[in-house]
Amino acid sequence: QKEVEQDPGPLSVPEGAIVSLNCTYSNSAFQYFMWYRQYSRKGPELLMYTYSSGNKEDGRFTAQVDKSSKYISLFIRDSQPSDSATYLCAMSPYTNAGKSTFGDGTTLTVKP
Amino acid sequence: KAGVTQTPRYLIKTRGQQVTLSCSPISGHRSVSWYQQTPGQGLQFLFEYFSETQRNKGNFPGRFSGRQFSNSRSEMNVSTLELGDSALYLCASSLLGGENTEAFFGQGTRLTVV
Repeated sequence: QKEVEQDPGPLSVPEGAIVSLNCTYSNSAFQYFMWYRQYSRKGPELLMYTYSSGNKEDGRFTAQVDKSSKYISLFIRDSQPSDSATYLCAMSPYTNAGKSTFGDGTTLTVKP
Repeated sequence: KAGVTQTPRYLIKTRGQQVTLSCSPISGHRSVSWYQQTPGQGLQFLFEYFSETQRNKGNFPGRFSGRQFSNSRSEMNVSTLELGDSALYLCASSLLGGENTEAFFGQGTRLTVV
């Protein structure tokens, strides 16, 4: 079983919808949680990171971490066609992102 | 400021050959990590270098190796290539590799082994 499991998708939503992307994990040592966005033929781009449990908001994006349930989520409000990409969750037991364990990614398509 | 630069962008090699990939981190960044991305296995951590020393290593065979130079540029080498080594190889750099550091990825080198 993988240490990080991500809802596989793909996900297709209409423009303006609220999107929920989710990952579960099994390693209790994970403390540093990240979400990356990857466009086709590009490297992953860090969207948000959270240390330990809690919520973090940045514009239309909200990241939630529930360490008791070993569950993290990324919410995208008012989704736009430009949000169409693959979203990857990543986690690390350290406070640096140098060695991270990634989910397999969820491909999101936002239709105009 | 320039981002992470990986060269070459695309590479085709034959089974049994070896290959060297290069990564130039963002200026001032001292930590460089390498990942392999494939459709079946996703993004998997290969190794991390910090100040010319390998600090972390993933679960890859010894055919995969790397090094980091004094200017923080890093190379990874794969010897005796196998078909299964075909993948996108990504490099990420971060400032210190310590607390609260953001990792920036390059665009990757797409390696095809035939």
